[in-house]
Amino acid sequence: QKEVEQNSGPLSVPEGAIASLNCTYSDRGSQSFFWYRQYSGKSPELIMFIYSNGDKEDGRFTAQLNKASQYVSLLIRDSQPSDSATYLCAVEYTGGFKTIFGAGTRLFVKA
Amino acid sequence: DAGVIQSPRHEVTEMGQEVTLRCKPISGHDYLFWYRQTMMRGLELLIYFNNNVPIDDSGMPEDRFSAKMPNASFSTLKIQPSEPRDSAVYFCASSLTATDTQYFGPGTRLTVL
Repeated sequence: QKEVEQNSGPLSVPEGAIASLNCTYSDRGSQSFFWYRQYSGKSPELIMFIYSNGDKEDGRFTAQLNKASQYVSLLIRDSQPSDSATYLCAVEYTGGFKTIFGAGTRLFVKA
Repeated sequence: DAGVIQSPRHEVTEMGQEVTLRCKPISGHDYLFWYRQTMMRGLELLIYFNNNVPIDDSGMPEDRFSAKMPNASFSTLKIQPSEPRDSAVYFCASSLTATDTQYFGPGTRLTVL
């Protein structure tokens, strides 16, 4: 079992819709969770981080964390074509005090 | 701050040659990470440093790869000899702590012919 799993996609949604990106992780002791966005040919950049169970909202983005289910998600409301990118889930790995990245989910927002 | 700086941005070399990738982290960041990204394997952590000391090199694929951080503002990743399967984008990232937000450099696209 991979430490951080994501559906590779591609996930295709129409403009204005809600995009839902999901991630599961194996380390029950993980405390820090991150979502990075990576445009084609560019480097990853942080969108959001979340430490506590529940929802965290920042503009059109909402991160959701459920530690009991070892599940973290990212919702993008009112999706725009400019949101088309690969979204990487990253989870703190307590065994080595480092962050493990998932393989990423490709998102396409159709105009 | 200019962010994380990497050089070169592109490198094309022939199999068997030595390749050196360079990174300057954000000033004040105590952690520096080297990653490799390919379509097949995604973003893989190769090695990370804390205060210039290598902490975890379990991701370094084999002895052909080596990394150094002689001071707080400079790190190198060396591949000797290079092989076609080393072709990938290599990212350097830095952060305040091991599990804090990581700031990535623009990457070096390496092609080994």
